[in-house]
Amino acid sequence: DIQLTQSPSSLSASVGDRVTITCRASQAIRNYLVWFQQKPGKAPKSLIYAASSLQSGVPSKFSGSGSGTDFTLTISSLQPEDFATYYCQQYNSFPITFGQGTRLEFK
Amino acid sequence: EVQLVESGGGLVQPGGSLRLSCAASGFTFSDHYMDWVRQAPGKGLEWVGRIRNKANSYSTEYAASAKGRFTISRDDSKNSVFLEMSSLKNEDTAVYYCARVVVVAGNYITDVWGQGTTVTVSS
Repeated sequence: DIQLTQSPSSLSASVGDRVTITCRASQAIRNYLVWFQQKPGKAPKSLIYAASSLQSGVPSKFSGSGSGTDFTLTISSLQPEDFATYYCQQYNSFPITFGQGTRLEFK
Repeated sequence: EVQLVESGGGLVQPGGSLRLSCAASGFTFSDHYMDWVRQAPGKGLEWVGRIRNKANSYSTEYAASAKGRFTISRDDSKNSVFLEMSSLKNEDTAVYYCARVVVVAGNYITDVWGQGTTVTVSS
């Protein structure tokens, strides 16, 4: 199975900050990576697919990059609604796997 | 409006069985693959499995934790997908989500998720 390791596991930031979350795959997954946002008690929401393509309706403050084994999610100009947990997911091969999550908190 | 609504969760004893349902509306259900994903309390997301559409023989894929104990099926006439769980363990306690799979530029990704149904395995 492909392991996805996110870093950091938690991150403190302030409104207006720019933050970057990293996801590293245990083997190459081409660009078959999705980033999700999840708020407490809610279902995950997909933000980015194919590592860098913005899902429809998602603001351009979210951006993704990477290919192979190393990927990043960048969120610019943080707003209160952006404080949530973020997960990466690979769909290069079965079983589909998720990273352990990165919790983005108010500083 | 595209919507997925899960049901069937509840309290079940270890070793017991449970059948979850996911009712779809607002789109042509039969065209789509469907996924099940779960989340244990306070933990991350875990993919459970996938069922493909009729054109792909309703074939399925499972996580190792689900293989042999869980079965995904669907009834396109009822716009529903099911997760049949047996030999349940305490560690199967989770919120179970169903999600629609769409194909975007060759990428098989989930775009719509249900609100989840809670399964608690406990004696």
